[in-house]
Amino acid sequence: DAGVIQSPRHEVTEMGQEVTLRCKPISGHNSLFWYRQTMMRGLELLIYFNNNVPIDDSGMPEDRFSAKMPNASFSTLKIQPSEPRDSAVYFCASRQGRDEAFFGQGTRLTVV
Amino acid sequence: AQSVTQPDIHITVSEGASLELRCNYSYGATPYLFWYVQSPGQGLQLLLKYFSGDTLVQGIKGFEAEFKRSQSSFNLRKPSVHWSDAAEYFCAVGAPIKAAGNKLTFGGGTRVLVKP
Repeated sequence: DAGVIQSPRHEVTEMGQEVTLRCKPISGHNSLFWYRQTMMRGLELLIYFNNNVPIDDSGMPEDRFSAKMPNASFSTLKIQPSEPRDSAVYFCASRQGRDEAFFGQGTRLTVV
Repeated sequence: AQSVTQPDIHITVSEGASLELRCNYSYGATPYLFWYVQSPGQGLQLLLKYFSGDTLVQGIKGFEAEFKRSQSSFNLRKPSVHWSDAAEYFCAVGAPIKAAGNKLTFGGGTRVLVKP
């Protein structure tokens, strides 16, 4: 398996634009997580899915953020409209049961 | 609610010296415990994990960790660090039972600098 695949690796966008981050989890994993990492706040859990169903979205900062998992092999995190304070590295991770989580390489988002 | 504390934000060690990174957790039972390493510009990579059994676990890259139930700790150690060990290290906990969900909670991380 190629691991967790995130795209794009880098995204630079203007404030107010819509941004969509994509994630392909490892085949067979039943949980998917979206994290955000910044120097100030460290690694924050935004939302996680179990069997494609959102379980805990308490970490989503505000209504501008939304996440979907239409099937077991794909998830998106959307920010609309984007703001400079959304600049961060966004990680997707997947997990099978209670075993370890595997992380993607991340998407570095810069909002100017 | 589960939580993880890594008391040391930064640690500087000399190459060849030993390293110990602290991790304390809060959970009602013995959770599943993990240590991850993140090199600059990379995602997180698993170093080792503890579910049950022997409280001293061996991981990759010469790392080991010891689970101490009485102290709610899971400290990471390496006897002799290499310059390539400079990275950020994260401790994480997960619930041991299905009913509690699959959420993984991470500590704030410890950044390790290695002096030549």
